[in-house]
Amino acid sequence: GAVVSQHPSWVICKSGTSVKIECRSLDFQATTMFWYRQFPKQSLMLMATSNEGSKATYEQGVEKDKFLINHASLTLSTLTVTSAHPEDSSFYICSARDGGESPLHFGNGTRLTVT
Amino acid sequence: DQQVKQNSPSLSVQEGRISILNCDYTNSMFDYFLWYKKYPAEGPTFLISISSIKDKNEDGRFTVFLNKSAKHLSLHIVPSQPGDSAVYFCAATYYSGTYKYIFGTGTRLKVLA
Repeated sequence: GAVVSQHPSWVICKSGTSVKIECRSLDFQATTMFWYRQFPKQSLMLMATSNEGSKATYEQGVEKDKFLINHASLTLSTLTVTSAHPEDSSFYICSARDGGESPLHFGNGTRLTVT
Repeated sequence: DQQVKQNSPSLSVQEGRISILNCDYTNSMFDYFLWYKKYPAEGPTFLISISSIKDKNEDGRFTVFLNKSAKHLSLHIVPSQPGDSAVYFCAATYYSGTYKYIFGTGTRLKVLA
């Protein structure tokens, strides 16, 4: 149980375009999902907490207008990287909890390359 | 401010021996700790967790130890296998309106055959 599916697994886009990444909890409902970003050889950095039916909570230093998060249902959160630039190239990973004090379950990540 | 630290970026262990991965934290509010394993270009996979009310949790070859007074936890893998070679992240969390999980910087484990 507790499977998180993330799509796409990789995407290449041109500078200035927008990219949407989807995160779905397949066998549980997630009122909260988390979006992380990982730079090469670095830790997972929490970008934002996505709350179903309300606005996302962004971590300090993360531009909310650039990284748009929508949590439209209990099983789907989306991250849209708007007006992407090469420095946005990274590995983005979503995660969700199956309620209470339980482990985070991660999607397989999305490798974004902006050319 | 790195609230969760893994001071060893890498570790090499012979197959069959014990692997010990360490993690230190600074925030005394943390009350739930987890270990994840990660392969390149994949999301982390949950391994084992421990609540702050315990000092040890065991699951097969994996045992996590928590020393609250030292704000230190460790993951023991015994016996180590080549398939255990991966990056291991420790994470900590507490409830403050929501659960926020903070990850360490990771330790790359290499198990030598």
